[in-house]
Amino acid sequence: AQSVTQPDIHITVSEGASLELRCNYSYGATPYLFWYVQSPGQGLQLLLKYFSGDTLVQGIKGFEAEFKRSQSSFNLRKPSVHWSDAAEYFCAVGDRGTYKYIFGTGTRLKVLA
Amino acid sequence: EAGVAQSPRYKIIEKRQSVAFWCNPISGHATLYWYQQILGQGPKLLIQFQNNGVVDDSQLPKDRFSAERLKGVDSTLKIQPAKLEDSAVYLCASSSGQSPQHFGDGTRLSIL
Repeated sequence: AQSVTQPDIHITVSEGASLELRCNYSYGATPYLFWYVQSPGQGLQLLLKYFSGDTLVQGIKGFEAEFKRSQSSFNLRKPSVHWSDAAEYFCAVGDRGTYKYIFGTGTRLKVLA
Repeated sequence: EAGVAQSPRYKIIEKRQSVAFWCNPISGHATLYWYQQILGQGPKLLIQFQNNGVVDDSQLPKDRFSAERLKGVDSTLKIQPAKLEDSAVYLCASSSGQSPQHFGDGTRLSIL
């Protein structure tokens, strides 16, 4: 079955510390891969995407993600977290034919001052 | 460019009542999606439109949910009658081709 797993429901980091959010997927073929961020009361904002090519992708707000085909993973990283990064983060896979997305259950990030 | 617009932002109704949500996608985006996001979960696709035709409605509870996209632009999602388990945020998204989906701010529905 097609699925996206975000194993960490909550993560707490101190401001200035590095961050890595995990995402694993189960899919028949290499899908499109996305990370979105959702602040309270808001919709989802795209952080970055992987379609093809370089497996290390850069996004907005200093985020990056690395696609590892052998591990079916697409982990999100940031070298130094800011208090404004506190939000919920969703990993998603997209079908290359239908453009349908499947989302993970999200990781809620808390940032300590 | 203007983003995806949704209204209302909040709605409170009693069970067995009906409710409708409206979405205006980004101009020129042929594909429109409605998602249901239950608290603590990721968004789940309810229905996908391509222009004014339905591409996928396999996850839409058709006994109570309906959606339309007249003229291939705006869309409405209706629930009739509402159940307690329909309490959620309803998100609309749009895209063009393989471009990433852009999301509206959603409608938070509470069923009493």
